[in-house]
Amino acid sequence: DQQVKQNSPSLSVQEGRISILNCDYTNSMFDYFLWYKKYPAEGPTFLISISSIKDKNEDGRFTVFLNKSAKHLSLHIVPSQPGDSAVYFCAASASMNYGGSQGNLIFGKGTKLSVKP
Amino acid sequence: ETGVTQTPRHLVMGMTNKKSLKCEQHLGHNAMYWYKQSAKKPLELMFVYSLEERVENNSVPSRFSPECPNSSHLFLHLHTLQPEDSALYLCASSQERGAYNEQFFGPGTRLTVL
Repeated sequence: DQQVKQNSPSLSVQEGRISILNCDYTNSMFDYFLWYKKYPAEGPTFLISISSIKDKNEDGRFTVFLNKSAKHLSLHIVPSQPGDSAVYFCAASASMNYGGSQGNLIFGKGTKLSVKP
Repeated sequence: ETGVTQTPRHLVMGMTNKKSLKCEQHLGHNAMYWYKQSAKKPLELMFVYSLEERVENNSVPSRFSPECPNSSHLFLHLHTLQPEDSALYLCASSQERGAYNEQFFGPGTRLTVL
Protein backbone atom coordinates (compact mmCIF):
# COMPACT_ATOMS: atom_id res chain seq x y z
CA ASP A 1 0.00 0.00 0.00
CA GLN A 2 1.28 3.45 -0.86
CA GLN A 3 2.60 5.40 2.09
CA VAL A 4 2.90 8.66 0.17
CA LYS A 5 0.04 9.67 -2.08
CA GLN A 6 -0.33 12.41 -4.62
CA ASN A 7 -3.92 12.06 -5.69
CA SER A 8 -3.85 14.58 -8.51
CA PRO A 9 -1.94 13.25 -11.52
CA SER A 10 -2.06 16.64 -13.19
CA LEU A 11 -2.72 20.31 -12.52
CA SER A 12 -3.07 23.22 -14.92
CA VAL A 13 -2.78 26.86 -13.83
CA GLN A 14 -2.46 30.23 -15.49
CA GLU A 15 0.83 32.10 -15.38
CA GLY A 16 0.97 34.46 -12.42
CA ARG A 17 -1.55 32.50 -10.37
CA ILE A 18 -0.89 30.22 -7.41
CA SER A 19 -0.16 26.51 -7.93
CA ILE A 20 -1.01 24.22 -5.02
CA LEU A 21 0.24 20.66 -5.10
CA ASN A 22 -0.95 18.26 -2.44
CA CYS A 23 0.52 15.21 -0.79
CA ASP A 24 -0.81 12.84 1.88
CA TYR A 25 1.09 10.28 3.89
CA THR A 26 0.04 7.42 6.09
CA ASN A 27 3.07 6.62 8.24
CA SER A 28 3.25 8.71 11.41
CA MET A 29 6.95 7.87 11.73
CA PHE A 30 7.79 10.13 8.77
CA ASP A 31 9.44 13.28 10.06
CA TYR A 32 11.14 14.79 7.04
CA PHE A 33 9.45 15.71 3.80
CA LEU A 34 10.82 16.85 0.48
CA TRP A 35 9.59 18.07 -2.87
CA TYR A 36 11.42 17.26 -6.07
CA LYS A 37 10.83 18.66 -9.53
CA LYS A 38 11.45 16.65 -12.68
CA TYR A 39 11.70 17.86 -16.25
CA PRO A 40 11.49 15.37 -19.14
CA ALA A 41 14.78 13.58 -19.86
CA GLU A 42 16.27 14.80 -16.57
CA GLY A 43 16.52 13.34 -13.10
CA PRO A 44 14.49 14.77 -10.20
CA THR A 45 15.99 17.89 -8.64
CA PHE A 46 15.51 18.87 -5.02
CA LEU A 47 13.22 21.82 -4.53
CA ILE A 48 12.38 22.33 -0.86
CA SER A 49 12.05 20.34 2.35
CA ILE A 50 10.44 20.58 5.75
CA SER A 51 11.06 18.91 9.06
CA SER A 52 8.17 17.77 11.21
CA ILE A 53 9.11 20.29 13.90
CA LYS A 54 7.95 23.03 11.54
CA ASP A 55 4.65 23.70 9.82
CA LYS A 56 5.94 25.98 7.10
CA ASN A 57 9.09 26.50 5.11
CA GLU A 58 9.54 29.17 2.49
CA ASP A 59 12.12 29.61 -0.25
CA GLY A 60 11.43 32.37 -2.71
CA ARG A 61 8.29 31.56 -4.69
CA PHE A 62 8.02 28.12 -3.09
CA THR A 63 6.40 27.40 0.27
CA VAL A 64 5.73 24.02 1.80
CA PHE A 65 3.08 23.63 4.49
CA LEU A 66 2.88 20.64 6.80
CA ASN A 67 -0.22 19.57 8.74
CA LYS A 68 0.92 16.70 10.92
CA SER A 69 -2.47 15.96 12.43
CA ALA A 70 -3.93 15.52 8.95
CA LYS A 71 -0.77 13.85 7.61
CA HIS A 72 -0.88 16.29 4.74
CA LEU A 73 1.58 18.60 3.08
CA SER A 74 1.26 21.02 0.24
CA LEU A 75 3.57 22.95 -2.04
CA HIS A 76 2.56 26.46 -3.03
CA ILE A 77 4.16 28.21 -5.98
CA VAL A 78 3.44 31.92 -6.22
CA PRO A 79 3.48 33.36 -8.80
CA SER A 80 3.53 30.40 -11.16
CA GLN A 81 5.73 30.68 -14.25
CA PRO A 82 5.77 28.63 -17.46
CA GLY A 83 9.22 27.33 -16.50
CA ASP A 84 7.62 25.69 -13.46
CA SER A 85 5.89 23.21 -15.77
CA ALA A 86 7.25 19.84 -14.67
CA VAL A 87 6.36 16.76 -12.66
CA TYR A 88 6.51 17.37 -8.90
CA PHE A 89 7.24 14.50 -6.53
CA CYS A 90 6.54 14.49 -2.85
CA ALA A 91 8.83 12.29 -0.72
CA ALA A 92 8.96 11.39 2.95
CA SER A 93 11.48 9.76 5.24
CA ALA A 94 11.85 8.73 8.87
CA SER A 95 14.86 9.46 11.02
CA MET A 96 14.10 6.50 13.26
CA ASN A 97 13.91 2.85 12.27
CA TYR A 98 10.25 2.00 11.84
CA GLY A 99 10.09 -1.35 10.16
CA GLY A 100 10.71 0.22 6.85
CA SER A 101 14.20 1.58 6.56
CA GLN A 102 15.53 4.58 8.35
CA GLY A 103 16.36 7.44 6.06
CA ASN A 104 14.97 5.94 2.87
CA LEU A 105 12.92 8.28 0.72
CA ILE A 106 9.39 7.10 -0.04
CA PHE A 107 8.01 8.84 -3.11
CA GLY A 108 4.55 9.64 -4.38
CA LYS A 109 3.60 9.06 -8.00
CA GLY A 110 3.99 12.72 -8.91
CA THR A 111 1.77 15.55 -10.15
CA LYS A 112 2.33 17.02 -13.59
CA LEU A 113 2.03 20.80 -13.40
CA SER A 114 1.34 22.81 -16.54
CA VAL A 115 1.60 26.58 -16.29
CA LYS A 116 0.00 28.28 -19.26
CA PRO A 117 1.16 31.70 -20.47
CA GLU B 1 31.43 16.98 -15.11
CA THR B 2 29.41 18.02 -12.13
CA GLY B 3 26.68 16.41 -10.07
CA VAL B 4 25.57 12.87 -10.85
CA THR B 5 26.07 11.40 -14.30
CA GLN B 6 24.67 8.19 -15.75
CA THR B 7 25.57 6.21 -18.85
CA PRO B 8 24.14 5.13 -21.14
CA ARG B 9 21.12 7.40 -21.31
CA HIS B 10 19.18 4.87 -23.39
CA LEU B 11 19.58 1.11 -23.63
CA VAL B 12 17.72 -1.51 -25.58
CA MET B 13 18.54 -5.11 -24.79
CA GLY B 14 17.24 -8.59 -25.41
CA MET B 15 16.29 -10.92 -22.60
CA THR B 16 19.47 -12.96 -22.99
CA ASN B 17 21.87 -10.00 -23.04
CA LYS B 18 24.15 -8.83 -20.27
CA LYS B 19 24.64 -5.12 -19.87
CA SER B 20 25.72 -2.66 -17.20
CA LEU B 21 24.52 0.76 -16.15
CA LYS B 22 27.07 3.19 -14.79
CA CYS B 23 26.66 6.04 -12.33
CA GLU B 24 29.28 8.51 -11.22
CA GLN B 25 28.94 11.27 -8.65
CA HIS B 26 31.28 14.24 -8.44
CA LEU B 27 29.93 15.58 -5.15
CA GLY B 28 32.10 13.79 -2.62
CA HIS B 29 29.09 11.98 -1.21
CA ASN B 30 29.25 8.81 0.86
CA ALA B 31 25.90 7.23 -0.01
CA MET B 32 24.62 6.11 -3.40
CA TYR B 33 21.30 4.67 -4.51
CA TRP B 34 19.61 2.88 -7.40
CA TYR B 35 15.95 3.58 -8.08
CA LYS B 36 13.52 2.18 -10.62
CA GLN B 37 10.73 4.27 -12.08
CA SER B 38 8.08 2.38 -14.02
CA ALA B 39 5.22 4.04 -15.85
CA LYS B 40 2.55 5.40 -13.49
CA LYS B 41 4.37 4.13 -10.39
CA PRO B 42 6.36 5.94 -7.73
CA LEU B 43 10.13 5.78 -7.69
CA GLU B 44 11.09 2.47 -6.10
CA LEU B 45 14.29 2.15 -4.13
CA MET B 46 16.36 -0.83 -5.26
CA PHE B 47 19.73 -0.65 -3.53
CA VAL B 48 21.55 1.58 -1.05
CA TYR B 49 25.30 1.82 -0.61
CA SER B 50 26.95 3.66 2.23
CA LEU B 51 30.74 4.03 2.20
CA GLU B 52 30.90 1.42 -0.58
CA GLU B 53 29.05 -1.16 1.50
CA ARG B 54 25.63 -2.37 0.43
CA VAL B 55 23.32 -1.56 3.30
CA GLU B 56 20.02 -2.32 1.67
CA ASN B 57 18.63 -4.60 -1.00
CA ASN B 58 14.96 -3.85 -1.39
CA SER B 59 13.82 -7.33 -2.44
CA VAL B 60 15.26 -6.89 -5.89
CA PRO B 61 15.51 -9.99 -8.15
CA SER B 62 18.98 -11.41 -8.58
CA ARG B 63 19.00 -10.57 -12.30
CA PHE B 64 19.93 -7.07 -11.04
CA SER B 65 23.39 -7.03 -9.50
CA PRO B 66 24.86 -3.81 -8.09
CA GLU B 67 28.52 -3.01 -7.65
CA CYS B 68 30.14 -0.10 -5.85
CA PRO B 69 33.92 -0.19 -6.42
CA ASN B 70 34.48 3.18 -4.71
CA SER B 71 32.44 6.01 -3.25
CA SER B 72 32.18 7.81 -6.58
CA HIS B 73 31.03 4.97 -8.82
CA LEU B 74 28.02 2.69 -8.82
CA PHE B 75 27.12 0.05 -11.37
CA LEU B 76 24.01 -1.99 -12.01
CA HIS B 77 24.73 -5.21 -13.86
CA LEU B 78 21.80 -6.63 -15.79
CA HIS B 79 21.33 -10.18 -17.07
CA THR B 80 18.42 -12.24 -18.34
CA LEU B 81 15.99 -9.39 -17.81
CA GLN B 82 12.27 -9.56 -18.52
CA PRO B 83 10.19 -7.11 -20.57
CA GLU B 84 8.56 -5.87 -17.35
CA ASP B 85 11.98 -4.63 -16.26
CA SER B 86 11.71 -1.90 -18.88
CA ALA B 87 11.79 1.36 -16.93
CA LEU B 88 13.80 4.46 -16.10
CA TYR B 89 16.68 3.61 -13.78
CA LEU B 90 17.86 6.48 -11.65
CA CYS B 91 21.00 6.80 -9.62
CA ALA B 92 21.24 9.20 -6.69
CA SER B 93 23.77 10.20 -4.07
CA SER B 94 23.70 11.98 -0.73
CA GLN B 95 26.30 13.22 1.73
CA GLU B 96 25.40 10.49 4.18
CA ARG B 97 22.65 7.94 4.40
CA GLY B 98 19.84 9.20 6.60
CA ALA B 99 16.62 11.14 6.75
CA TYR B 100 17.97 14.69 6.60
CA ASN B 101 20.27 14.15 3.67
CA GLU B 102 19.01 15.52 0.41
CA GLN B 103 19.52 13.14 -2.50
CA PHE B 104 20.89 14.32 -5.83
CA PHE B 105 19.74 12.41 -8.88
CA GLY B 106 21.31 11.62 -12.20
CA PRO B 107 19.36 11.94 -15.47
CA GLY B 108 18.56 8.24 -15.58
CA THR B 109 18.95 5.41 -18.06
CA ARG B 110 15.86 4.56 -20.09
CA LEU B 111 15.95 0.77 -20.41
CA THR B 112 13.88 -1.22 -22.87
CA VAL B 113 13.91 -5.02 -22.69
CA LEU B 114 12.68 -6.75 -25.82
